[in-house]
Amino acid sequence: AQKVTQAQTEISVVEKEDVTLDCVYETRDTTYYLFWYKQPPSGELVFLIRRNSFDEQNEISGRYSWNFQKSTSSFNFTITASQVVDSAVYFCALSDLNNDMRFGAGTRLTVKP
Amino acid sequence: ETGVTQTPRHLVMGMTNKKSLKCEQHLGHNAMYWYKQSAKKPLELMFVYNFKEQTENNSVPSRFSPECPNSSHLFLHLHTLQPEDSALYLCASSQDFGTVYTEAFFGQGTRLTVV
Repeated sequence: AQKVTQAQTEISVVEKEDVTLDCVYETRDTTYYLFWYKQPPSGELVFLIRRNSFDEQNEISGRYSWNFQKSTSSFNFTITASQVVDSAVYFCALSDLNNDMRFGAGTRLTVKP
Repeated sequence: ETGVTQTPRHLVMGMTNKKSLKCEQHLGHNAMYWYKQSAKKPLELMFVYNFKEQTENNSVPSRFSPECPNSSHLFLHLHTLQPEDSALYLCASSQDFGTVYTEAFFGQGTRLTVV
């Protein structure tokens, strides 16, 4: 069965700290895509990254980086030198050949000044 | 501006009321979705429309009735809801349904409270 687990319900850090958000997934397909979305207080989910199952190369975009490990079925997201504006709920999602984008429960990140 | 607009942003309704949520996208996408977001739960996919045809209904109670008159508009008609239906209802669109790599674009949601 397709499943996405974000074990961290809430994380609180102080500005400039690094923080890693965990995502573990389950799927029987060999072809799938993983996503991260950010949901700021305004409500809409904002797309951050997409990664296909055949590309395990880690990616860095500014202060954001993603670590995809197929061996552990994980797709973790790290924010370096966090800022108050990073405060949001972050969702990990999986899309496989069932064509159903399945989301995790989300991790609420609070960055304090 | 995400390209997906939802109205109203907030809605309070009684259990005997009938109301509708509206979603509009100007991204030229062919697939539109309704999701329900309850506190501390994963986003739940409710309905999927692809080229105006409903392709999925994930065991959603009949008190929720979707309508997709064209590829740009999606409605969710609400009737005799229960307090546990209170949630954030998110609309999303994507280029196509069935393309595993396509990311979805979301609206800001309608915060629904059933009293």
